[in-house]
Amino acid sequence: NAGVTQTPKFQVLKTGQSMTLQCAQDMNHNSMYWYRQDPGMGLRLIYYSASEGTTDKGEVPNGYNVSRLNKREFSLRLESAAPSQTSVYFCASSGRDRGDYQETQYFGPGTRLLVL
Amino acid sequence: AQSVTQLGSHVSVSEGALVLLRCNYSSSVPPYLFWYVQYPNQGLQLLLKYTSAATLVKGINGFEAEFKKSETSFHLTKPSAHMSDAAEYFCAVTPWSSASKIIFGSGTRLSIRP
Repeated sequence: NAGVTQTPKFQVLKTGQSMTLQCAQDMNHNSMYWYRQDPGMGLRLIYYSASEGTTDKGEVPNGYNVSRLNKREFSLRLESAAPSQTSVYFCASSGRDRGDYQETQYFGPGTRLLVL
Repeated sequence: AQSVTQLGSHVSVSEGALVLLRCNYSSSVPPYLFWYVQYPNQGLQLLLKYTSAATLVKGINGFEAEFKKSETSFHLTKPSAHMSDAAEYFCAVTPWSSASKIIFGSGTRLSIRP
């Protein structure tokens, strides 16, 4: 059981380049999330998907697009990267553990992105 | 709106000393509360969670937290700090208005002195 996996681990882009961050989970969770983590800013939600086929904006969606490809996979795309998007990106999924009535989020290892 | 406040952005303790990381929440009803740990260059790992089953919750690596409704607190403790405990710790709450969203505190960086 791998949990939440993310690729790539590291990426360097030039301003204006595009790329897609991949995320997959094997816990059969309905909900998935993309966060960015910046020094002094904590974790900020970019987009989330409550179920396959649905996506919603979070706190900082500008400059990003997402695709919920199927129940397992949720990708984040930067169409035209900017230096302000230099950050660490975390994917998460959530589900109800046995006996719980609220969901618990589980996180991937992160992708470190540097935009020059 | 629900929120969590972590008191102290940086806490430093000696190896073997008590670890106390503070978290207060604002909620009109008992929420689900979580502590996550983030080791350097890694993702967030669930340390423990309060789900209303018991007020004293035990987690991994010898950590525990006590839910105190009267103080709206969920402080994280460990009796004896190890060097390996050096990490960033995040308190979080799940709002009743959304079963899946989560609100994080700003984090507390724990340093361990030899």
